[in-house]
Amino acid sequence: SQQGEEDPQALSIQEGENATMNCSYKTSINNLQWYRQNSGRGLVHLILIRSNEREKHSGRLRVTLDTSKKSSSLLITASRAADTASYFCATDVYTGNQFYFGTGTSLTVIP
Amino acid sequence: EAQVTQNPRYLITVTGKKLTVTCSQNMNHEYMSWYRQDPGLGLRQIYYSMNVEVTDKGDVPEGYKVSRKEKRNFPLILESPSPNQTSLYFCASSTTWNQPQHFGDGTRLSIL
Repeated sequence: SQQGEEDPQALSIQEGENATMNCSYKTSINNLQWYRQNSGRGLVHLILIRSNEREKHSGRLRVTLDTSKKSSSLLITASRAADTASYFCATDVYTGNQFYFGTGTSLTVIP
Repeated sequence: EAQVTQNPRYLITVTGKKLTVTCSQNMNHEYMSWYRQDPGLGLRQIYYSMNVEVTDKGDVPEGYKVSRKEKRNFPLILESPSPNQTSLYFCASSTTWNQPQHFGDGTRLSIL
């Protein structure tokens, strides 16, 4: 069963604009993480937010977490062409040792 | 340099011919995991290992085997590959199970 689902599936914006992508999940978690994947490459960890945190920042990234709605959002501010990639949320299950990735959002930043 | 190394990167083979995809990490991580990535389905966990000699099934373990005899290595074995195992495979490792994972560059398998 898929734990996380991202929305939208694809997003195209102009350089300099902000990009927002959302993630919903199904069961209680310990942490939620966001990863980036450049085409055909391995995933790279971006940011981790714990279940008792509501917001976290890292450079141009801002992540929010709403455990009551079982959802998270990733905001990339002042986007650059180099931000073009797929973005995945990943959750662990509170009672287990498994890891679940969503289906991803494909972001295209047009120069 | 901290890294997860997978081999081979690409493989085309035929149904039924046993194959092994190797994975090695140099970060002394306890947790290692295998995923497959298919269009529209995201990454799905195949098997994971909490530590040496401890392995568990993920969401899609059918048709796969793993072993964890040493901390650094976590090979994925396809005893009798079938076309539905054609996919992009990733190995990953982390200090513990719910911490950031480091990914290999992937292995693209085609089973004819």
